[in-house]
Amino acid sequence: EAGVAQSPRYKIIEKRQSVAFWCNPISGHATLYWYQQILGQGPKLLIQFQNNGVVDDSQLPKDRFSAERLKGVDSTLKIQPAKLEDSAVYLCASSLGWGSYNEQFFGPGTRLTVL
Amino acid sequence: GENVEQHPSTLSVQEGDSAVIKCTYSDSASNYFPWYKQELGKGPQLIIDIRSNVGEKKDQRIAVTLNKTAKHFSLHITETQPEDSAVYFCAASPPENTGNQFYFGTGTSLTVIP
Repeated sequence: EAGVAQSPRYKIIEKRQSVAFWCNPISGHATLYWYQQILGQGPKLLIQFQNNGVVDDSQLPKDRFSAERLKGVDSTLKIQPAKLEDSAVYLCASSLGWGSYNEQFFGPGTRLTVL
Repeated sequence: GENVEQHPSTLSVQEGDSAVIKCTYSDSASNYFPWYKQELGKGPQLIIDIRSNVGEKKDQRIAVTLNKTAKHFSLHITETQPEDSAVYFCAASPPENTGNQFYFGTGTSLTVIP
């Protein structure tokens, strides 16, 4: 079974530029998550989708971050404009269902460096 | 929201010794506690999990214990091997009506010395 795919793996941009990350979840997984992992910290949830609808985006900085999940499969996360503090690894995860006890499967992440 | 604290932040053990990582959580309603292992350059991978109706769970050299009253849970790795070296994260998940959101601890970097 193929895992969660993410691209690019690395991205370096200057502050105020824009950047986009792409995620392809495990086939058949209805729930998709985007996490931000700052160096030395645990992942923090940014947004959660159930199929193509947003379940929770309470921790997404909506003035600069946006995400979509077209057709309930792939997802993109965009930052515009980027700030220095956005430097982090952005992890995408998926799970079969929405309720408790559903294992979340993580992709390898995209490491973003903002200069 | 839920707050998860994890200790220690770094841990070094000799190969063959045991390693213990401890986490506390704040929301007494949390009912699912997964542990993830993250190797360098990779995403976190689930190694063991426990539900709130269970006090202990074992899987070969790995075990997790849960004390709901004290709101803490621990990961125990016995007979450690060099390949156990990684960063370990605990997480807590509130009940189903809030979705499947995980709140992660800050991580423990485990080094197993051959």
